[in-house]
Amino acid sequence: AQSVSQHNHHVILSEAASLELGCNYSYGGTVNLFWYVQYPGQHLQLLLKYFSGDPLVKGIKGFEAEFIKSKFSFNLRKPSVQWSDTAEYFCAVNAPFSGGYQKVTFGTGTKLQVIP
Amino acid sequence: DAEITQSPRHKITETGRQVTLACHQTWNHNNMFWYRQDLGHGLRLIHYSYGVHDTNKGEVSDGYSVSRSNTEDLPLTLESAASSQTSVYFCASSEAGDTSEQYFGPGTRLTVT
Repeated sequence: AQSVSQHNHHVILSEAASLELGCNYSYGGTVNLFWYVQYPGQHLQLLLKYFSGDPLVKGIKGFEAEFIKSKFSFNLRKPSVQWSDTAEYFCAVNAPFSGGYQKVTFGTGTKLQVIP
Repeated sequence: DAEITQSPRHKITETGRQVTLACHQTWNHNNMFWYRQDLGHGLRLIHYSYGVHDTNKGEVSDGYSVSRSNTEDLPLTLESAASSQTSVYFCASSEAGDTSEQYFGPGTRLTVT
């Protein structure tokens, strides 16, 4: 069964600091990878996704993530965070199976707090 | 605009009662999912459906059931509510296909006393 690990549960940064959130998954085959964000009091929304091609994926609001297959990782990065990036971030993995179905597994989330 | 809605947004119920949480999407998506979100556990999949009359158990399905009689709705029923089911419940939908993103509803905060 696939699983997702997010090792940082709570990250506190000052504005303008650089961000990197770790995500590792366990599954030996082809995977589709997602990062979702949940702003306080809101529902989850997609930040970015990777399913093929360039392993460096750019998403909304200046976020990017790099898929490193050999490390089973899909870390999220942002060069300079803003107070408005305060949110919880979830990594998710979908290992596709026959018929194009999907069953996504989410990590436990990382809470990011940005201090002005 | 297409959307996914959940009702009620907040619910307090007593142990042992049956509770149904509604989820309605106007995306015309085949896939629908129910998750619960708890501190330290992130999002855990309860049940999912790939189409009308199709339902499947997720990792934490005990005590929950779903039915899919049309494309738009996937109600989640707690057969006999327990305090351990106090949580925030999210419904999501997606297009068929393994690269599709999921669109989430606003969530239902359920408290079982």
